[in-house]
Amino acid sequence: DAGVTQSPTHLIKTRGQQVTLRCSPKSGHDTVSWYQQALGQGPQFIFQYYEEEERQRGNFPDRFSGHQFPNYSSELNVNALLLGDSALYLCASSGQGISTDTQYFGPGTRLTVL
Amino acid sequence: DQQVKQNSPSLSVQEGRISILNCDYTNSMFDYFLWYKKYPAEGPTFLISISSIKDKNEDGRFTVFLNKSAKHLSLHIVPSQPGDSAVYFCAASVTSGTYKYIFGTGTRLKVLA
Repeated sequence: DAGVTQSPTHLIKTRGQQVTLRCSPKSGHDTVSWYQQALGQGPQFIFQYYEEEERQRGNFPDRFSGHQFPNYSSELNVNALLLGDSALYLCASSGQGISTDTQYFGPGTRLTVL
Repeated sequence: DQQVKQNSPSLSVQEGRISILNCDYTNSMFDYFLWYKKYPAEGPTFLISISSIKDKNEDGRFTVFLNKSAKHLSLHIVPSQPGDSAVYFCAASVTSGTYKYIFGTGTRLKVLA
């Protein structure tokens, strides 16, 4: 049973560029959440996708956007990259769109902005 | 505003002894709590959860205790093993109508052989 997968593993970009990160949820899961984890901090919620719609959003600017596809996979897009966007980006999947359903995390994408 | 706090950045415990990791929260609306373990270069791995209708949940060597009046939860690992060495995050959520988890900053546990 494949768990949550993310690509790429690492990414280096320069300020002002745009980046797309990808996530495939665990088999049987239909909900995808994205988190940003800065060094020495806990993960911070960016947004959650369910039924191809953004269902909830955290305190992140509009430069952060996403998409969910019919197969439940998801993309996170970040425009106009800033140095402060350097972080580990985590995708988590859960099932049935229930708020108590446990979120399972992928290995993350390490983004470095120079 | 840090709604979920893990005040101990690190903890060292001898193999075979009990590890106790603590977490405090400020939002009384939180009603679902989880613990995750994270190894370097990996994503957080779910360990155990507890609903606010309970005060204890056990799964093998891992037990989570919830004290709602003190807004405090703890994770007990007995007995501790060297493979338990990792960063432990507690997380909380308000289950009615929200789906996000609020995480603490983590506690690095080192189990000494």
